[in-house]
Amino acid sequence: EPEVTQTPSHQVTQMGQEVILRCVPISNHLYFYWYRQILGQKVEFLVSFYNNEISEKSEIFDDQFSVERPDGSNFTLKIRSTKLEDSAMYFCASTWAASTDTQYFGPGTRLTVL
Amino acid sequence: EDKVVQSPLSLVVHEGDTVTLNCSYEVTNFRSLLWYKQEKKAPTFLFMLTSSGIEKKSGRLSSILDKKELFSILNITATQTGDSAIYLCAVVIYNQGGKLIFGQGTELSVKP
Repeated sequence: EPEVTQTPSHQVTQMGQEVILRCVPISNHLYFYWYRQILGQKVEFLVSFYNNEISEKSEIFDDQFSVERPDGSNFTLKIRSTKLEDSAMYFCASTWAASTDTQYFGPGTRLTVL
Repeated sequence: EDKVVQSPLSLVVHEGDTVTLNCSYEVTNFRSLLWYKQEKKAPTFLFMLTSSGIEKKSGRLSSILDKKELFSILNITATQTGDSAIYLCAVVIYNQGGKLIFGQGTELSVKP
């Protein structure tokens, strides 16, 4: 069964460093998402992406964050200058049709900022 | 502000018990409600509910949506230790890129 994959599974970085989290969505899906979950808290929406542009973003998704689909398969989340409070589990999700179809989640990348 | 609230936050039961998990929501532009099971990492899909009053069923799990009272329930009958997980409720917002608003989750622990 097709699945969303994410790499790395765990990333440790120093405050102020740039990180890139990678996702390979399910191949025929058109809508892509990033969510994050700080330990012990709710899963929070960050950004949705369709047709090579951001369709919606949350207040969390400020200028330090960017997303890209550099080729036909990868979907990346970049954090330019990490802060301690960026430490969280980051989930990628994809779906065939936004609003009408299920979003399928990847296994997540745990980001630890020291 | 869009809000999804789950109750209880945690629950401990014994194998064979039946449990009911609750999810209420207050959102603009409701499209559908999703239930996920989160064990170690990724939320895995259980149900998508769009219409009121139509029960969705998968084995020992079932779920129903009430769009008038703005809530959904997830039932698990004859619980097993493998049902131990966090159950997440999420609402799909229409016309906002399909973003999901999640509840806090209900942590279910099933004891042998």
